[in-house]
Amino acid sequence: DIQMTQSPSTLAASVGDRVTITCRASQSISYWLAWYQQKPGKAPKLLIYKASSLESGVPSRFSGSGFGTEFTLTISSLQPDDSASYYCQQYTSNPLTFGGGTKVEIK
Amino acid sequence: DVQLVQSGAEVKKPGESLKISCQSSGYTFTNYWIGWVRQMPGKGLEWMGVIYPGDSDTRYSPSFQGQVTISADKSISTAYLQWSSLKASDTAIYYCARRILDSEYFNYWGQGTLVIVSS
Repeated sequence: DIQMTQSPSTLAASVGDRVTITCRASQSISYWLAWYQQKPGKAPKLLIYKASSLESGVPSRFSGSGFGTEFTLTISSLQPDDSASYYCQQYTSNPLTFGGGTKVEIK
Repeated sequence: DVQLVQSGAEVKKPGESLKISCQSSGYTFTNYWIGWVRQMPGKGLEWMGVIYPGDSDTRYSPSFQGQVTISADKSISTAYLQWSSLKASDTAIYYCARRILDSEYFNYWGQGTLVIVSS
């Protein structure tokens, strides 16, 4: 199985800050990576696919980058509504695997 | 609008059986893979498996193979996840989710079904 490791596991930042979350794969996954946002008590929501493609309707302050084994999700200017957990997911091979998650809190 | 509506919360005892459902609408059910994802209390997301309702082709994560059964009923556009003998460790929220047409990430999700297994 491909292991996905996210860091940090939690972070606290102020409104307007630039926030970066990292996801590392245990082997190359090309650009077959998605990012999801999950708010408490809600289902995950797709933000980014193919490492850097923004899902329709997702604010442009969210962006993704990376290739191979290292990926990042960036929030360019953190907003109160961005308080949530974020998960990466590789989809290059089964079993599909998710990172352990990053909880983003607003200071 | 695409919608995935899951069945309601369940409280069961260890050893009991259970089948939860995910009813789809707003698209052609037989054309898209539907997957199931587990989230244990306070934990992350785990992919369990997927089914293609068009021909019932089913793929399981090795971690869940033999532990659950995924099925679908085309006539009512509904996917299912079932257990024959629940364990306390099956306590979790279970999400169904629809894959996009030609790749393996999920762009539509159900609201989740909470399953509690307790004696």
